[in-house]
Amino acid sequence: RKEVEQDPGPFNVPEGATVAFNCTYSNSASQSFFWYRQDCRKEPKLLMSVYSSGNEDGRFTAQLNRASQYISLLIRDSKLSDSATYLCVVRGGSYIPTFGRGTSLIVHP
Amino acid sequence: DAGITQSPRHKVTETGTPVTLRCHQTENHRYMYWYRQDPGHGLRLIHYSYGVKDTDKGEVSDGYSVSRSKTEDFLLTLESATSSQTSVYFCAISEFGQNTEAFFGQGTRLTVV
Repeated sequence: RKEVEQDPGPFNVPEGATVAFNCTYSNSASQSFFWYRQDCRKEPKLLMSVYSSGNEDGRFTAQLNRASQYISLLIRDSKLSDSATYLCVVRGGSYIPTFGRGTSLIVHP
Repeated sequence: DAGITQSPRHKVTETGTPVTLRCHQTENHRYMYWYRQDPGHGLRLIHYSYGVKDTDKGEVSDGYSVSRSKTEDFLLTLESATSSQTSVYFCAISEFGQNTEAFFGQGTRLTVV
């Protein structure tokens, strides 16, 4: 079983839609969590960190459920520019970022 | 953007030849990582470094070696390139601490023919 699991998608949604991605992790000792965004043929970039109490950044909301070992990302009012691959990242005691395979989002007009 | 550069950005090499990829940072971050990214596999850790001359293996280290003689440089060497090592290679850096962001270089597209 891979340490960080994501549904690869693609999620194909119209502009203005709300879309949610989930990610599960296997290591209960994991301590920090992130969502990264990767555009085609580009490097990954941090979208947002995920805090225990949940956090919001504009149209993006991240949640963490430690008991069930999953994190989620909610995107409201999707824009064409949100089309990308979203990577779930988990860090344990070794500080090494472990990546999920990514979820592809396509927002169409 | 974080000061991290990879070289070369693209390379085509022949099977059996050694190849060295370079990652250079100007951020003085302690941790440096090499990942490879392949369709269906996502980003997989090859090797990482937690300080000068301190390195360790990752998930897919076979056929690769690394060196870090200075804080700013982390070299990845394919000792004898094989077609299965055709991939996009990303270097990343981060500072010490759980909630610190990892910054990525722009990637090196390597083709082994």
